[in-house]
Amino acid sequence: QKEVEQDPGPLSVPEGAIVSLNCTYSNSAFQYFMWYRQYSRKGPELLMYTYSSGNKEDGRFTAQVDKSSKYISLFIRDSQPSDSATYLCAMHFIQGAQKLVFGQGTRLTINP
Amino acid sequence: DGGITQSPKYLFRKEGQNVTLSCEQNLNHDAMYWYRQDPGQGLRLIYYSQIVNDFQKGDIAEGYSVSREKKESFPLTVTSAQKNPTAFYLCASSPVGGGAKTQYFGPGTRLLVL
Repeated sequence: QKEVEQDPGPLSVPEGAIVSLNCTYSNSAFQYFMWYRQYSRKGPELLMYTYSSGNKEDGRFTAQVDKSSKYISLFIRDSQPSDSATYLCAMHFIQGAQKLVFGQGTRLTINP
Repeated sequence: DGGITQSPKYLFRKEGQNVTLSCEQNLNHDAMYWYRQDPGQGLRLIYYSQIVNDFQKGDIAEGYSVSREKKESFPLTVTSAQKNPTAFYLCASSPVGGGAKTQYFGPGTRLLVL
């Protein structure tokens, strides 16, 4: 079993829809959780990061962490064609080496 | 502008050849990383370095080598021992210390085998 599981998709939704992207993880020691967006043939760019459980909002994006269920989510409101990309979740322990553990990435397409 | 640069954008390797991928950052970050990305497999850590003249193996270090002689630079050599080198290679950097270990990525190098 992988430490971090993410449905690779592809996921295709109409413009304006609310998108929900999810990851599950197995190691309860993870404390920091991140979402990266990666456009085709480009490097990932950081979208959101959260510490421990709770919600964090930034414009149309909301990151949610449920440590009791070992489940994290990224919600995109009023989705735009420019949101079409691969979304990667990542997480790491609060101490120790700085190794991020990534999910596989979910490929998302927003249709005009 | 602060950031991470990787060169070249595309690299072709002949069988039996060693090739070196460049990564430079001007973010004044102490830690640097190399990842490999294959379709459907996400990012896998090859090597990382938290300080100059020191580095550690990641999950898939076999067939790769690195050096960290300067804080700004972390080149990756793909050796002939790496039998399946075709992939997208990403370099990242981050500050060390407490808090979120947010990593910032370069634009990547695509390595193809001739």
